[in-house]
Amino acid sequence: DTGVSQDPRHKITKRGQNVTFRCDPISEHNRLYWYRQTLGQGPEFLTYFQNEAQLEKSRLLSDRFSAERPKGSFSTLEIQRTEQGDSAMYLCASSLVVDINNEQFFGPGTRLTVL
Amino acid sequence: AQSVTQPDIHITVSEGASLELRCNYSYGATPYLFWYVQSPGQGLQLLLKYFSGDTLVQGIKGFEAEFKRSQSSFNLRKPSVHWSDAAEYFCAVAAGKAAGNKLTFGGGTRVLVKP
Repeated sequence: DTGVSQDPRHKITKRGQNVTFRCDPISEHNRLYWYRQTLGQGPEFLTYFQNEAQLEKSRLLSDRFSAERPKGSFSTLEIQRTEQGDSAMYLCASSLVVDINNEQFFGPGTRLTVL
Repeated sequence: AQSVTQPDIHITVSEGASLELRCNYSYGATPYLFWYVQSPGQGLQLLLKYFSGDTLVQGIKGFEAEFKRSQSSFNLRKPSVHWSDAAEYFCAVAAGKAAGNKLTFGGGTRVLVKP
C-alpha cells in the first residue's frame, strides 16, 4: 500500500465555482479525517468518518461544504460557490480505530486557490 | 477544549547546532501528543508520539521530545541539525476516543538551517 492519496494536488478555480476533492485512505483504515490548513497556520479539523458514517463536523464546515464516504472507502469533499477565503490546503488523513496509538497518516494535500 | 501553542514562529539554527522547539498544550485529561514535520509541498510526517510511560520519547530522524506534565509542555529536540531538517514543525494533541481522536495542531514553527 502506498499510503493516503489525494486528487487533485492543485486546483485553481474562480469564485463561485464548485470544486470536489478526492481522498483514498490506506486500505483497511476505517477512520478518515479532513483538515484544512491556511497559509502560515496549523491544520484545523473539518470532519471525520468512521466507515461510511460522518461522525462529526466542525463549525468551520459551512453549509457550502459537504463530505461523503460512500461504502467506507474513498471520500470526497465538495465546496459549492467557492469564496476566496476557501483558498487553503485540504489535508486528508486515515487511521485504524482499533489502533491504540491512533496514528493518523496524512496525504499530500490538495491546494485550492480561488481567484 | 484542547489547544496547542507553539510560541516560536521562526527559528534559525546553524547546521550542526542543537535545536529545541517549544510546545505547550491545554487538555483536561492525559494527553496524546504528537510532533509532525511538513516539508514544502509535502504532507505531514509523524516524527514521534507520546501516550504514556517514559516521558522522553525517541522519534525518527534523530528527534526526541520530553513530556512534562507539570509544565504542560512537550518540547522537541535534536542534538545536531542537518540542512535537510529545514521544514515546518507542528505539535498536536489528540482529543479522546469519544471525540474521535481528532487532532488539534499548534500554529507551527518554521526552522531555517544556516550552512
